[in-house]
Amino acid sequence: GAGVSQTPSNKVTEKGKYVELRCDPISGHTALYWYRQSLGQGPEFLIYFQGTGAADDSGLPNDRFFAVRPEGSVSTLKIQRTERGDSAVYLCASSAIGTSGYNEQFFGPGTRLTVL
Amino acid sequence: ELKVEQNPLFLSMQEGKNYTIYCNYSTTSDRLYWYRQDPGKSLESLFVLLSNGAVKQEGRLMASLDTKARLSTLHITAAVHDLSATYFCAASSQNTGNQFYFGTGTSLTVIP
Repeated sequence: GAGVSQTPSNKVTEKGKYVELRCDPISGHTALYWYRQSLGQGPEFLIYFQGTGAADDSGLPNDRFFAVRPEGSVSTLKIQRTERGDSAVYLCASSAIGTSGYNEQFFGPGTRLTVL
Repeated sequence: ELKVEQNPLFLSMQEGKNYTIYCNYSTTSDRLYWYRQDPGKSLESLFVLLSNGAVKQEGRLMASLDTKARLSTLHITAAVHDLSATYFCAASSQNTGNQFYFGTGTSLTVIP
């Protein structure tokens, strides 16, 4: 079946602009995660949704970052007043079990964000 | 916060040789995952290790977990060029929520 999809694959923006990154999880997966991967680093956790609600947003670096998942499927990561330091690959993952037990996360191809 | 360290960070090995990548984590974790990432691509799940002593094998790769030592290993047997990639381990725990804590990755290059 279809995997996790993310759009756009690449996004170039200017400092100070607003961007939205979209994630479409695997159908039926209730848990959705956003990670940020800087060059040469492992992914860093940003936020986790269980259904429509953000169960853990402790990884969001500041209040310029916000994410929603209004219908419990597609999620949008929103970044306001972008800064050059926001440049990274933003990865989305989904899993079938989010609250306990086995929790294998399946990752999308990522959105490469470049802030000029 | 659960911290995960991998070593080595870079590994260059000849085809046919064996090697091990190590993944240490800082606090109790009940789940350990290994992923592969090719350049410009996303992460591909390789192994999920859920209990102490767990060992899983797929082709030339074998992963193991020692929860008492807080150590997981990824062993490569008779490396081939197609294994060249970056390998990440990630740990999670019910106590720390469901987020994954990733290591910095091991960039593996297999030389013909």
